[in-house]
Amino acid sequence: DIQMTQSPSSLSASVGDRVTITCRASQDISNYLNWYQQKPGKAPKLLIYDASYLETGVPSRFSGSGSGTDFTFTISSLQPEDIATYYCQQYETLSTFGGGTQVEIK
Amino acid sequence: EVQLLESGGGLVQPGGSLRLSCAASGLIFSDYAMNWVRRAPGKGLEWVSGISGADDSTYYAEFVKGRFTISRDNSKNTLYLQMDSLRVEDTALYYCVKDRGGYGPYHFDYWGQGTLVTVSS
Repeated sequence: DIQMTQSPSSLSASVGDRVTITCRASQDISNYLNWYQQKPGKAPKLLIYDASYLETGVPSRFSGSGSGTDFTFTISSLQPEDIATYYCQQYETLSTFGGGTQVEIK
Repeated sequence: EVQLLESGGGLVQPGGSLRLSCAASGLIFSDYAMNWVRRAPGKGLEWVSGISGADDSTYYAEFVKGRFTISRDNSKNTLYLQMDSLRVEDTALYYCVKDRGGYGPYHFDYWGQGTLVTVSS
C-alpha cells in the first residue's frame, strides 16, 4: 500500500498569510496526486488535480506543485473562507488520502 | 447538476450487515466510475471501494477486502455497498463519490452528503 504523510496536521495563520502544506508519498507516484478541501459539515471539494492543475472555478490563490514523492499545496493569501481541513490523495495505486491538515485563522 | 444521495446507514451490532445505496441524478451514470469514501469520527478521509463505469471492474481497500462488496445498477442510476462482518472501526460517515472518468479511482469531482454507519453493541 502507498502511504501518504501530510504535514503539518494543523496550522494557525493570519488573514493574508501564505500557507503551505506538504504531502509525502511512501513511493514514487509521479503526478498522480489531488488536493481536496473539506469545510465543517460539508462534503470534500476537489481543488487541485494531477498535482498542479486548478479545478474549474477554484480561486487562483490555491496552487499545487511537486512530483515523485514530494508535493506542496499553497494558499498564497489566506482568506477567512479558507478555514477547512485539506487532504492530499494519491491514485497511482488504488487510492489513499493523507491524514489531513486543519487550517485555522489566528 | 450532478446529485448523489446516500441512504441505508444506521446502527448495527459488530458482526452485522448493512447495505448502503447511492441514487445518482444529473449525469449519464454508466459513463462514470463511482466510489465509496468514509470519514470516521475525529479522523481523516479513507477511500473504501470503487467500481468502473466502463467494465464494472471493482477495487477495494485492504481493510475491507472480503467483507464489503461494491456494485451498481445502471438501469436505476444507483450505486451500492454491501457491508458484512462489520467492526466497531467501520463506524464512519460514508460518502458516495463520482469519478471524473469511466475508470478509477482517479479524480473525485462530485460527493454526496454522506450516510452515517455506527457499529456498536
